Amino acid sequence: QSALTQPASVSGSPGQSITISCSGTSSDIGDYNYVSWYRQHPGKAPKLIIYEVTNRPSGVSHRFSGSKSGNTASLTISGLQAEDEAVYYCSSYTSSISVVFGGGTNLTVL
Amino acid sequence: EVQLVESGGGLVQPGRSLRLSCTTSGFIFGDYAMSWVRQAPGKGLEWLSVIRSKGYGGTPEYAASVKDRVTISRDDSKSIAYLQMYSLKTEDTAVYYCARRGRGWDFDYWGQGTLVTVSS
Repeated sequence: QSALTQPASVSGSPGQSITISCSGTSSDIGDYNYVSWYRQHPGKAPKLIIYEVTNRPSGVSHRFSGSKSGNTASLTISGLQAEDEAVYYCSSYTSSISVVFGGGTNLTVL
Repeated sequence: EVQLVESGGGLVQPGRSLRLSCTTSGFIFGDYAMSWVRQAPGKGLEWLSVIRSKGYGGTPEYAASVKDRVTISRDDSKSIAYLQMYSLKTEDTAVYYCARRGRGWDFDYWGQGTLVTVSS
């Protein structure tokens, strides 16, 4: 199972909105609504911020939103804050009864 | 408070075996599937394995990349998940995280990770 495709890096200024894409196939993102997004700060464990494409866990800011179209999922962060600077990973359930992650996107808040 | 604490990492020689443990608290362990994810130095996340709750058969699933070299297990009486790794290779060097599987195929709680270094 190949990794999902994410841009290596994105950037934005405080207060702006950014979107991170996550491209898969019809065997993962395209066929299942089990897309998740994680945020990882340096030296820390990943933290779940979106599950099942659009859902936010309790305590996660409304500034984070997820969507999916075809084989591509997206994470949008609105009102960028300095604390949002981190690496973001997408993941999806696959037809092989497994999970595949994206390569990660490094978000820089300018 | 949900807590997951990994242990068992360290320096190991190529070809040897190692067992990692994930000790949990703050939730009903037996109600949840548990998973292992690793992260090589400076690299991304790689899913390794999941073990379902006993209510769903307690059955495991493995990533193709490690299927023949790892075994996941659980002890619900102790609230611990294990990952037994065999025939370790230098490319297995990574931080190994255990994670609780959430509603679907997401991971809603993670441990702090344990570093496994495979080197002679």
